[in-house]
Amino acid sequence: EAGVAQSPRYKIIEKRQSVAFWCNPISGHATLYWYQQILGQGPKLLIQFQNNGVVDDSQLPKDRFSAERLKGVDSTLKIQPAKLEDSAVYLCASSPKGYGYTFGSGTRLTVV
Amino acid sequence: AQSVTQLDSQVPVFEEAPVELRCNYSSSVSVYLFWYVQYPNQGLQLLLKYLSGSTLVKGINGFEAEFNKSQTSFHLRKPSVHISDTAEYFCAVNFLTQGGSEKLVFGKGTKLTVNP
Repeated sequence: EAGVAQSPRYKIIEKRQSVAFWCNPISGHATLYWYQQILGQGPKLLIQFQNNGVVDDSQLPKDRFSAERLKGVDSTLKIQPAKLEDSAVYLCASSPKGYGYTFGSGTRLTVV
Repeated sequence: AQSVTQLDSQVPVFEEAPVELRCNYSSSVSVYLFWYVQYPNQGLQLLLKYLSGSTLVKGINGFEAEFNKSQTSFHLRKPSVHISDTAEYFCAVNFLTQGGSEKLVFGKGTKLTVNP
């Protein structure tokens, strides 16, 4: 089966600019996650969707980050405006249940 | 509070030596347990997982882990490491509530360096 697709792979932007990441989960996976992985740290959950509804966004900086999952399939994560500390790898994962997580390759964001 | 602790941030070992990477968690709910490996500039790859049943779980690349419920631990072991095992290893715990919700939380990672 195809894996979790993410794009772009790399992105360099200036601070205060906007950026968007895209994720296409494995077909049929109801749950979708966005994680932020800062260099040298473990992934931190930003937001969790169940179909197209938000289950957990308690660690999403809502003043600048937003995410949506249209029709319970693809998802986009947006940052507006970006800060230097947003430099990280943004990982998307999907699962049919709580034990079948598959991660995408991630988008590496550099804010200069 | 639900948390995952990896006690060692860095573990250097010599090739062919055994290694143990430690992971402890804190939880009042049921859990599923995972170990992931991340090679430089690559994504997360699942090494092994514990869902239920035998507490000794075998994974890919010769790794295994043992779930100890009383000590809330899930330590990763390999009897003989190779240079190619050099990578970052993450313990992750899926906390399951009675309401059916779940949350996958990662530890901060352990950087394993295998020296010749």
